[in-house]
Amino acid sequence: GAVVSQHPSWVICKSGTSVKIECRSLDFQATTMFWYRQFPKQSLMLMATSNEGSKATYEQGVEKDKFLINHASLTLSTLTVTSAHPEDSSFYICSAEQGDGPQHFGDGTRLSIL
Amino acid sequence: QKEVEQDPGPLSVPEGAIVSLNCTYSNSAFQYFMWYRQYSRKGPELLMYTYSSGNKEDGRFTAQVDKSSKYISLFIRDSQPSDSATYLCATRSGAGSYQLTFGKGTKLSVIP
Repeated sequence: GAVVSQHPSWVICKSGTSVKIECRSLDFQATTMFWYRQFPKQSLMLMATSNEGSKATYEQGVEKDKFLINHASLTLSTLTVTSAHPEDSSFYICSAEQGDGPQHFGDGTRLSIL
Repeated sequence: QKEVEQDPGPLSVPEGAIVSLNCTYSNSAFQYFMWYRQYSRKGPELLMYTYSSGNKEDGRFTAQVDKSSKYISLFIRDSQPSDSATYLCATRSGAGSYQLTFGKGTKLSVIP
């Protein structure tokens, strides 16, 4: 149980385009979903926390207009990287949590901006 | 001082060895403790989730929490090459706060 699916796993696109990443909890309803960014050989850096039906809470230094988060249902959250540039290239990982339980992570999305 | 300290390694052991991974934390408010395993270019996979001090066992894995010393450990018995990965400790406060505080991760290699 507690499976989190993230799609796509890898995306390459041109500078200036927008990219949407989906995160789904497959077998549980997630009260809270999280979006992380991970640079090579570093730990996860929290970008934002989202609850279904409400606006996401962004961490300091994360541009909310750049990284749009929508949490439309208890099983789906999306992260849209708008007008992506090469410096946005990274590994993006979502996680989902049910109540006071642990966070369960997706398999991540490798984003490469040319 | 970082809130969660974890030796990044790398740690290399022969197959079959017992592996000990450790973290220390400084914030007494941390109540929940987790260990995740992360393979290269994959998301973290939950191995252990504990709340109280003491030991919790799951197969070849044992998590140990000592709240008085602010010390958490993960032991892997009979280590296998498939255990080669980065292990992340994580912790969070109790109700009302869901953010995780991660250690930097320890890279483990189990040599056949």
